[in-house]
This record gives sequence, structure tokens and C-alpha cells, in this order.
Amino acid sequence: NAGVTQTPKFRILKIGQSMTLQCTQDMNHNYMYWYRQDPGMGLKLIYYSVGAGITDKGEVPNGYNVSRSTTEDFPLRLELAAPSQTSVYFCASRSRDYEAFFGQGTRLTVV
Amino acid sequence: AQKVTQAQTEISVVEKEDVTLDCVYETRDTTYYLFWYKQPPSGELVFLIRRNSFDEQNEISGRYSWNFQKSTSSFNFTITASQVVDSAVYFCALDLGGDYNNNDMRFGAGTRLTVKP
Repeated sequence: NAGVTQTPKFRILKIGQSMTLQCTQDMNHNYMYWYRQDPGMGLKLIYYSVGAGITDKGEVPNGYNVSRSTTEDFPLRLELAAPSQTSVYFCASRSRDYEAFFGQGTRLTVV
Repeated sequence: AQKVTQAQTEISVVEKEDVTLDCVYETRDTTYYLFWYKQPPSGELVFLIRRNSFDEQNEISGRYSWNFQKSTSSFNFTITASQVVDSAVYFCALDLGGDYNNNDMRFGAGTRLTVKP
């Protein structure tokens, strides 16, 4: 049972480049989340989804986009990378009894 | 809007001391869930406990205990006889039950605990 898998683990982007952070879960969870964690800070919610085809903004959605075409996948898109998006990104899914499972994180640096 | 406050940014104790990490939350929902997560230096998030809003019983798991008080909107976490391996950042989180069609999960800023030998 893989749980929540994020790829890539590390990435360096140049300003203005775009990329997609991949997240997939094999637990058939409807709820999925994307968070960012800046150095020495807590987790800020970027976007979340309550099921395939349904997404909603969190606290810090600007500069990001998401889609949820399947239950398993919840990719996060950065269209025009900026240094302010340098962070560690965590994807999570949540079970029906409210237990959250986190991926290992993606460390993104924008230079 | 929901909010989680962890007022203690950093705590430093000597091994074998007891330490309490505070968590205060805000929500207008009647159904919600509270969590504690541990983030060791390796960076992953480790689930410690989940508590729903209808269960105010305190819980003990080994050296860990949790005190949930709805009257003060607090969900505090105590480590008894702390060990060096307890050194980590600890996060409190709030997940709503969807009373107001709000299904996100919010985290506090975290408390960095350092346990010195």
C-alpha cells in the first residue's frame, strides 16, 4: 500500500518557468489537499478537493492551479514560477474518519 | 473562519522534564476534528492523534497525553519524561465536519521542541 506519493522530491526552477507537482493516492480517498511549508513556518493550505471534478481555494491559492479528473490524482500546477514560491509542498489525502495521510513532500527552489 | 493558534514558537527542555504544547482553535462549526502531528528533522509529517468535537475525554498514549477542553477551545499536548528523540516541530490542526460546507484542514504555525540531553 503506497499511500500518498508525490513527485518529484526535489526541483529547481527558473523564474517564469512552469511545472506540475504530481500527487497520487491509492486509498480511494475523496478529500485531497495541497499545502506549502515555508522555512520555519507552518503549513498553509493552497487548494483542496472533496472529490473528482471538485476543487476549491485554500488560504494561499494565488499563482497555483489544480485539477481533479480522477479520485487518485490531484496535480498542482505552477504557471509562472516566482521566488516567493520557493517552499516545501505537501500533498495529503483524508479518509472518511478524518485521518490525513501525507506525502513525503516536494522541495521546490525558484531561482 | 477557522483558525489554529500555537502561541509557543520554540520550547527547550532538558531530558526527562515534562513539557506541554498549547493549541487554541477557533471555529463556528459544531462538528470538527483536532489533530497533532510531529515533524522530525527528516521532514515528514507523522500523525499522533485525532479527536472529534464530541469526545472530550483526555487520552494517554505512553508518554504522550492530550487535554481537550471545549470550554476554552484548547487541545493541549503533554510529553512526560521527555527524550532527545522527541525533538521536532509539532503541529496542531483543525478539520471541519462540513456544517457550513467547509471541508479544508488548517494547521497552526507549529512549536519547535528541543530536548537537550
